[in-house]
Amino acid sequence: EAGVAQSPRYKIIEKRQSVAFWCNPISGHATLYWYQQILGQGPKLLIQFQNNGVVDDSQLPKDRFSAERLKGVDSTLKIQPAKLEDSAVYLCASTSPKTQGRYGYTFGSGTRLTVV
Amino acid sequence: AQTVTQSQPEMSVQEAETVTLSCTYDTSESNYYLFWYKQPPSRQMILVIRQEAYKQQNATENRFSVNFQKAAKSFSLKISDSQLGDTAMYFCAFMNTDKLIFGTGTRLQVFP
Repeated sequence: EAGVAQSPRYKIIEKRQSVAFWCNPISGHATLYWYQQILGQGPKLLIQFQNNGVVDDSQLPKDRFSAERLKGVDSTLKIQPAKLEDSAVYLCASTSPKTQGRYGYTFGSGTRLTVV
Repeated sequence: AQTVTQSQPEMSVQEAETVTLSCTYDTSESNYYLFWYKQPPSRQMILVIRQEAYKQQNATENRFSVNFQKAAKSFSLKISDSQLGDTAMYFCAFMNTDKLIFGTGTRLQVFP
């Protein structure tokens, strides 16, 4: 089966610019997550979707970050305006209730964002 | 709130030797899952091994095994016959509902 697809792989922007990341989860996975992984740290959950609804966005800096999952499939994460501290790898992951206990999540390869 | 602690920022091991990575966690839940993920330079998180909290038997996957001590809330990963390809970041993770909570990771370097 195809994995979780993410694009772009790398992005360099200047502070105060905007950026968007795209994620296509595994087919049939209803739950989608966006994680932020700052260099040297473990991934931190930003937002969780169940189908096209938000389940948990308590850690999402809503003044600058937004995310959507139209039609319960693909998802985009946007940052506007970006700050230097947003430099990180943004990981997308998906799972289904049937498999999450056995396999955890399936992760994409992430987008490395550098804000200069 | 659940927390996951990995106290070893970096470890190194010689090829063919055995290494153990430590992980402790804090939870008041009784049913949960624990995972070890490997993150190579490609950045993709790869599941190494999982453990269900209600199972007393330690999980094993080929060269990888865990020592799960539920009362002590400890979940260490043992890698036997280390290979150069094992060089990566290793993350311990906890799940009790549907959210994975990660530790800060241990960077493992395998030397020839």
